[in-house]
Amino acid sequence: DAGITQSPRHKVTETGTPVTLRCHQTENHRYMYWYRQDPGHGLRLIHYSYGVKDTDKGEVSDGYSVSRSKTEDFLLTLESATSSQTSVYFCAISESGSGRAYEQYFGPGTRLTVT
Amino acid sequence: KNQVEQSPQSLIILEGKNCTLQCNYTVSPFSNLRWYKQDTGRGPVSLTIMTFSENTKSNGRYTATLDADTKQSSLHITASQLSDSASYICVVSGGAGSYQLTFGKGTKLSVIP
Repeated sequence: DAGITQSPRHKVTETGTPVTLRCHQTENHRYMYWYRQDPGHGLRLIHYSYGVKDTDKGEVSDGYSVSRSKTEDFLLTLESATSSQTSVYFCAISESGSGRAYEQYFGPGTRLTVT
Repeated sequence: KNQVEQSPQSLIILEGKNCTLQCNYTVSPFSNLRWYKQDTGRGPVSLTIMTFSENTKSNGRYTATLDADTKQSSLHITASQLSDSASYICVVSGGAGSYQLTFGKGTKLSVIP
């Protein structure tokens, strides 16, 4: 998984509680991404980061916030979890954000269940 | 709206047989197209990446083709193995932002003995 770890790997939480997912990389890649994967949908981008303290929204960012204080760590926070946020969350990294064939490498995923 | 459509949704084949998966896209402007393999419970792993000028790209028993004029791609798997059982996802890079990837929903392939 290209030097990417995600924690926790599985989590069950209750509606209304805050949740933070962590992505850690050892590749020193500049770009990091958070996606969610749901049945019947392709992977959808939540937020991404193009450097320390530099982040931007993806197509499904409502209800999520992110932070990146170090190159190697990218945190995804659900301020008040809802059942619609039950999903599998993937972190990805890439050296660049553009170019003819920039490559994204994915982590192992975190399965989050909100009851 | 940028879209990537894959067919079939699922496929069952016998070990040793060949198969072809299809991908149609409407992403514009187009940058590149890639195929990912995703094993159950794992993250996607890239198989091939093709830019506008590349028609064919191989990775072992996997061969991807791209027709940028018709906006179609295919992934051909030769002499399938049980370990090929996975979801295969077509992803197109382009659109409004160069970072932007549009993911297909995937084709779930099951290879049976």
